Amino acid sequence: AQSVTQLGSHVSVSEGALVLLRCNYSSSVPPYLFWYVQYPNQGLQLLLKYTSAATLVKGINGFEAEFKKSETSFHLTKPSAHMSDAAEYFCAVSGDGNKLVFGAGTILRVKS
Amino acid sequence: DTAVSQTPKYLVTQMGNDKSIKCEQNLGHDTMYWYKQDSKKFLKIMFSYNNKELIINETVPNRFSPKSPDKAHLNLHINSLELGDSAVYFCASKGWGDKGTEAFFGQGTRLTVV
Repeated sequence: AQSVTQLGSHVSVSEGALVLLRCNYSSSVPPYLFWYVQYPNQGLQLLLKYTSAATLVKGINGFEAEFKKSETSFHLTKPSAHMSDAAEYFCAVSGDGNKLVFGAGTILRVKS
Repeated sequence: DTAVSQTPKYLVTQMGNDKSIKCEQNLGHDTMYWYKQDSKKFLKIMFSYNNKELIINETVPNRFSPKSPDKAHLNLHINSLELGDSAVYFCASKGWGDKGTEAFFGQGTRLTVV
């Protein structure tokens, strides 16, 4: 069975600083991995996805993630945080039955 | 046009009542899901339907009954509501077969049982 672990339930950065949100996965088959963002009282919006085409994936709003098979990781980064990036971020892996299995989420706070 | 729409957005009801949440997608997807997001924001799949057929039922109490009249709709009916059912329920849809395609989510229904 597939699973995802997000390290750090809360991450706080200053505006303009590097954002790093960690995600490690477990999968017995080559994984498909996703990062979603959830703003308060809203649904989930796709930031980016890894589908084996390229290990460095660029997404919306300046985010990117690198797939590292040796580390079973898919960490999300952004070079310079903006106040509007404050939200909750979910890493997910495509699992059995075509479902998405989510991590517990990481709340990103951006300080001015 | 909203790709995945849920109604209602908020639902406050008393224990013991029966309620329904509706979901519709206009993306032409074959697969639809219900996810539950608890107070700690953890997202857990409840059901998955592919072209009106139940694919996944993740040990959800049988008070919860999904119904898919066609592949564009997946409704969730809940009988005898309990306090622990309070959560945000998300509907989602996805193309079938390709695990690399993303799921599209509705805005959620915040259910509060009092």
